[in-house]
Amino acid sequence: EADIYQTPRYLVIGTGKKITLECSQTMGHDKMYWYQQDPGMELHLIHYSYGVNSTEKGDLSSESTVSRIRTEHFPLTLESARPSHTSQYLCASRLDLAGKLFFGSGTQLSVL
Amino acid sequence: EDQVTQSPEALRLQEGESSSLNCSYTVSGLRGLFWYRQDPGKGPEFLFTLYSAGEEKEKERLKATLTKKESFLHITAPKPEDSATYLCAVQDFGGGGADGLTFGKGTHLIIQP
Repeated sequence: EADIYQTPRYLVIGTGKKITLECSQTMGHDKMYWYQQDPGMELHLIHYSYGVNSTEKGDLSSESTVSRIRTEHFPLTLESARPSHTSQYLCASRLDLAGKLFFGSGTQLSVL
Repeated sequence: EDQVTQSPEALRLQEGESSSLNCSYTVSGLRGLFWYRQDPGKGPEFLFTLYSAGEEKEKERLKATLTKKESFLHITAPKPEDSATYLCAVQDFGGGGADGLTFGKGTHLIIQP
């Protein structure tokens, strides 16, 4: 059973709002990831972290930012949301580079 | 650039009707191939990791196999609860950021009672 949690599950907001999507894991994993997924499309990596104070941008360009102040917590922030940010955001973690990814349940974001 | 192509995009089967899902991949050096199951509104759930050609793994009605160019997920006598989207992903040794994990678009499987 995966111990990785995302909140909120669903979020509907207006254009221009600042939002933070939360992700926490209790498995002590150093490696954490944010993916973006649109219906019928591949998961695209937008941010990753290999440990505290380590953050990198992924393959898909994103206007969001992330922070990693504690091992268990990897929040994603959008300073000014736009309709183009409407998507599902999935957080994941893994123990090591060869290990399986554990995913959270996702946040479905809708920007009006 | 790594590529993963899954087929078919969607598959509808009758309960008990066995079939296979395909994952074709191109990677410079395969570190691992992963299969995940994703239910609507949820995150992907890990099923299998395969590391080398010829390897096979089984779990209940599912069996995953691997060759140098593709992987198959065989579903034997499926039940309605097997309905989900099945995702394939590959990881290479090349690095290039974030472990080089590349996902396919998935196969949407529906099992009708």
